[in-house]
Amino acid sequence: EDKVVQSPLSLVVHEGDTVTLNCSYEVTNFRSLLWYKQEKKAPTFLFMLTSSGIEKKSGRLSSILDKKELFSILNITATQTGDSAVYLCAVHTSGTYKYIFGTGTRLKVLA
Amino acid sequence: DAGITQSPRHKVTETGTPVTLRCHQTENHRYMYWYRQDPGHGLRLIHYSYGVKDTDKGEVSDGYSVSRSKTEDFLLTLESATSSQTSVYFCAIRGQGSVETQYFGPGTRLLVL
Repeated sequence: EDKVVQSPLSLVVHEGDTVTLNCSYEVTNFRSLLWYKQEKKAPTFLFMLTSSGIEKKSGRLSSILDKKELFSILNITATQTGDSAVYLCAVHTSGTYKYIFGTGTRLKVLA
Repeated sequence: DAGITQSPRHKVTETGTPVTLRCHQTENHRYMYWYRQDPGHGLRLIHYSYGVKDTDKGEVSDGYSVSRSKTEDFLLTLESATSSQTSVYFCAIRGQGSVETQYFGPGTRLLVL
């Protein structure tokens, strides 16, 4: 059965800290891995990583994909209170239209 | 913004009543999805559609049905609502071309008493 596991489940840090969120997966026919940020509303798209794009960066956020070890990490440097959210990881598999989501990591950044 | 709207945004209903949630998109996307989100479970796929009148079940489809009679609308029906269906429901579309990410609607908060 395909699955996506995120860790830690929750995390509390102080402003300025660097955090690393983890996403591991066991799926057949991996196609892409996606990261989302969810505040008190719908998830918003952050990054998509594929075999041809295993590292992405946007400002203080960056992500890498390790296809050999079947995991991805999301790094946030110099955290701000506005980074407080649930971060979701999802995997899209070839040959299906489905995305499999992890349960998310809840990040709280204290001022 | 992928032009996705959901209605209603909030609903309170009683056990045993039918409920229909609507997802509407304006950008002619082929693939549409319904998820529910509950604490500790993340996003779970209920049903999805890969074209008009083409739908299939997700991992938590029991108690739900869907219909897609035109490209822009994807309806989710709870035939006889139960308290276990209290949840936040998100509709999503899949981007086209090389950007195969999903974009989500604003969500519908459903409370079944």
